[in-house]
Amino acid sequence: KAGVTQTPRYLIKTRGQQVTLSCSPISGHRSVSWYQQTPGQGLQFLFEYFSETQRNKGNFPGRFSGRQFSNSRSEMNVSTLELGDSALYLCASSLERRVQETQYFGPGTRLLVL
Amino acid sequence: GQNIDQPTEMTATEGAIVQINCTYQTSGFNGLFWYQQHAGEAPTFLSYNVLDGLEEKGRFSSFLSRSKGYSYLLLKELQMKDSASYLCAVRPLSGYSTLTFGKGTMLLVSP
Repeated sequence: KAGVTQTPRYLIKTRGQQVTLSCSPISGHRSVSWYQQTPGQGLQFLFEYFSETQRNKGNFPGRFSGRQFSNSRSEMNVSTLELGDSALYLCASSLERRVQETQYFGPGTRLLVL
Repeated sequence: GQNIDQPTEMTATEGAIVQINCTYQTSGFNGLFWYQQHAGEAPTFLSYNVLDGLEEKGRFSSFLSRSKGYSYLLLKELQMKDSASYLCAVRPLSGYSTLTFGKGTMLLVSP
C-alpha cells in the first residue's frame, strides 16, 4: 500500500504571497490531520478533516485554512505569508476504526518564506 | 488542555540502554504515543499505551502511569541508527485522530 504523499516537497515563497499544499492519504484512510513543525515549537496541530468535514482546529490564525475532498485528499492554504510561517508542514492520515489507531505521516512540505 | 514535557537532548553509547521520559498534564486522554523522527524525515510510530504498564516491542518498550502523568520510552542495545528525535504525544478524549505532541527529545548515539 502506498504511504501518505505530499506535494510539493519544497517551496520558496515571499512574504504576502499565498500557498497551497496537497496531501494524499493512504488508500482507505478518511481522517487527515495537518501539523506545523518548527525547531522552536515542535509539532503543532493545525486541523483535522474527516469525510470532508473539519472536526478539529488548532490555535492558528485564520490565514491557515484547509479542505478535504470526497476522495479524502486534502489541501491546506496559507494566505498572506509571514516569515514565521517557514516550517515543515506534515500531513497524517489514519483509518480511525479504533481509538489506538496510529497516524501515518507523509514526508512533509518544507516551506521557506523570504 | 495538554502540556507535555520531555528532555531536549540526550546522549548515549552504542549498545547501552537509554530511558526517555515524558510527563504530561491533561484532564484526560485516549492514549499516549511515541514516535521516532530521523532528521529530514516523517515521524514514524513506535508504541501506544492506554493502560498503566509496560508495552514491549523488540528493543523498544514504553511505560505509562496515568496516576503520575508519566511515561517513558526505553531503548535497549542502542544502535547508531537510533540517533533521532523521539516524540511523546497524547490523544485527547474527543476520540478523534488529533495528537498533541511534546517538543521531542533528540537522542545522539555515539560509538
